[in-house]
Amino acid sequence: AQSVTQPDIHITVSEGASLELRCNYSYGATPYLFWYVQSPGQGLQLLLKYFSGDTLVQGIKGFEAEFKRSQSSFNLRKPSVHWSDAAEYFCAVGGSSYGKLTFGQGTILTVHP
Amino acid sequence: SQTIHQWPATLVQPVGSPLSLECTVEGTSNPNLYWYRQAAGRGLQLLFYSVGIGQISSEVPQNLSASRPQDRQFILSSKKLLLSDSGFYLCAWSQRRGGHIPETQYFGPGTRLLVL
Repeated sequence: AQSVTQPDIHITVSEGASLELRCNYSYGATPYLFWYVQSPGQGLQLLLKYFSGDTLVQGIKGFEAEFKRSQSSFNLRKPSVHWSDAAEYFCAVGGSSYGKLTFGQGTILTVHP
Repeated sequence: SQTIHQWPATLVQPVGSPLSLECTVEGTSNPNLYWYRQAAGRGLQLLFYSVGIGQISSEVPQNLSASRPQDRQFILSSKKLLLSDSGFYLCAWSQRRGGHIPETQYFGPGTRLLVL
């Protein structure tokens, strides 16, 4: 069975600081990996995804993620955080039947001015 | 472009009352459709998914049911709500291409349900 672990429940950073959100997955075959962001009371918006090819993936809003098969990780990064990045971030893995995704528990990002 | 709608946005219901949440998708055909529940601090739990009209798969045993009466309409229902049904319900769609390769899921704005 596939699973996703986001070790950090809550992260606080200062505006302008760099950010890295961790994601570890468990999946027996080639994983398909996603990062979504959710603002309070809203639906989820896709930030980026990895299916194959270059292991460094660029997404929207200046985010990037790197797939490391040897570490079973897909960490999300941003070089300089903006106050508007405060939200909850979800990592997800897919690959089972009918395109189902398994989500991590989420990481809440707080940005201090 | 494709859009996904959910209503109502917020719902407060007494325990034991029925429930009907609706989700519709525009701008695409034959989508896969999904219902998730998000409880505070517990991430997203897949409740149901559908690959076609009348085809519903349940992921977890629960007090809820789902139906897909039309290609782009997905309904979440309950005959008698429990306190534990409170949460944020999200509908999502993806392109249907078959097999195990997941297409990106696109989420609706969600419905916040409070059962009192």
